[in-house]
Amino acid sequence: DIQMTQSPSTLSASVGDRVTITCRASQSISSWLAWYQQKPGKAPKLLIDKASSLQSGVPSRFSGSGSGTEFTLTISSLQPDDFGTYYCQQYYTYVTFGQGTKVEIK
Amino acid sequence: EVQLLQSGGGLAQPGGSLRLSCAASGFTFGNFAMSWVRQAPGKRLEWVSAISNKGDSTYYTDSVKGRFTFSRDNSKNTLFLQMNNLRAEDTAIYFCAKAPRISCTGAFCYSLDYWGQGSLVTVSS
Repeated sequence: DIQMTQSPSTLSASVGDRVTITCRASQSISSWLAWYQQKPGKAPKLLIDKASSLQSGVPSRFSGSGSGTEFTLTISSLQPDDFGTYYCQQYYTYVTFGQGTKVEIK
Repeated sequence: EVQLLQSGGGLAQPGGSLRLSCAASGFTFGNFAMSWVRQAPGKRLEWVSAISNKGDSTYYTDSVKGRFTFSRDNSKNTLFLQMNNLRAEDTAIYFCAKAPRISCTGAFCYSLDYWGQGSLVTVSS
């Protein structure tokens, strides 16, 4: 199985801050990576597919980059509505998720 | 608008059974693969099962093989997850989710672009 590891596990940032979340795969997955946002009590929402392709309707402050084994999700200017837990997911070999990064607003 | 409306779930005893349903609308249901993903309390998301667009190919994670059955009725735009011989470790919120493709190709699968609201399954005596 391909293991996905995110860092940090939790981050606290202020409105307007630039936020970066890292996701590492245990082996190369090319660009077959997705990012999701999940708010408490809700289903995950797909933000980015194929490592860097922003989904329709997702604010442009979200961006993704990387390939191979290391990927990043960046929020260029954190907004109050961006709180929640963010998950990466690989689909190169079946599907596995990272453990999540909880984003809190200071 | 794509909608996935889940029903079913609840409380079952160890060894018992439950069935989850997921009614889809807003897209051509028979053109897309579907999946079930679960989330145990405080745990990461876990891909449980997947089915191809026609229902002729299924995948199960090892821990549910032989106990869970994933099926679909394309005439009714509905998914079903039959869960038998339930264990305490099956306790989780279960989400149905839509893929942007017709199926996995070998082990190469997909992201999940729309999700249901979730169904709580609790296995306890």
